[in-house]
Amino acid sequence: QQPVQSPQAVILREGEDAVINCSSSKALYSVHWYRQKHGEAPVFLMILLKGGEQKGHDKISASFNEKKQQSSLYLTASQLSYSGTYFCGTEDSGGYQKVTFGTGTKLQVIP
Amino acid sequence: DAMVIQNPRYQVTQFGKPVTLSCSQTLNHNVMYWYQQKSSQAPKLLFHYYDKDFNNEADTPDNFQSRRPNTSFCFLDIRSPGLGDAAMYLCATSRTGGRNTEAFFGQGTRLTVV
Repeated sequence: QQPVQSPQAVILREGEDAVINCSSSKALYSVHWYRQKHGEAPVFLMILLKGGEQKGHDKISASFNEKKQQSSLYLTASQLSYSGTYFCGTEDSGGYQKVTFGTGTKLQVIP
Repeated sequence: DAMVIQNPRYQVTQFGKPVTLSCSQTLNHNVMYWYQQKSSQAPKLLFHYYDKDFNNEADTPDNFQSRRPNTSFCFLDIRSPGLGDAAMYLCATSRTGGRNTEAFFGQGTRLTVV
């Protein structure tokens, strides 16, 4: 079953912040975040393992709440280069891993 | 430096004519995936290999088959492509265990069915 992301789409002005949420119905081993630009393959941003960790990379950070089976991606002081579609990818905790992508969030940053 | 390579980048095939897409990797990852991505949608997992173990998603049509002759190569065969199979096909690899299990993607093959 595909993880559900919210919002589906968001438009930001440069410098504004955004939060993208990912929710799964399954117990999770890890959550990945990817960004995909139009016509290109998804690019890995970060991975969070169970244990409720948070991670940051420049002005993009994420959290993972394994009890709620949810993850959030935080984009601060957005830049034009942040535009794209963001996908969470989840690995569930049973069996061997496979990455299932969420429904996606289209983010557009405008000047 | 390319680590996951898909060939060809663009493929045009006739309705009903078998087509094969290929993927190779230099990462020595034990897991390989095939995803189908249609316009404005999330990548949809078709199959994945864990080493030589093949795992088919329940809703993957029988028209789609896959082969992995060795660690480095993986193929997607579409036996009788229909118009609805036109999409971007993404190959990805990852390794199991530890903290570095992210998926590395190839550039994709865009399939057009005429």
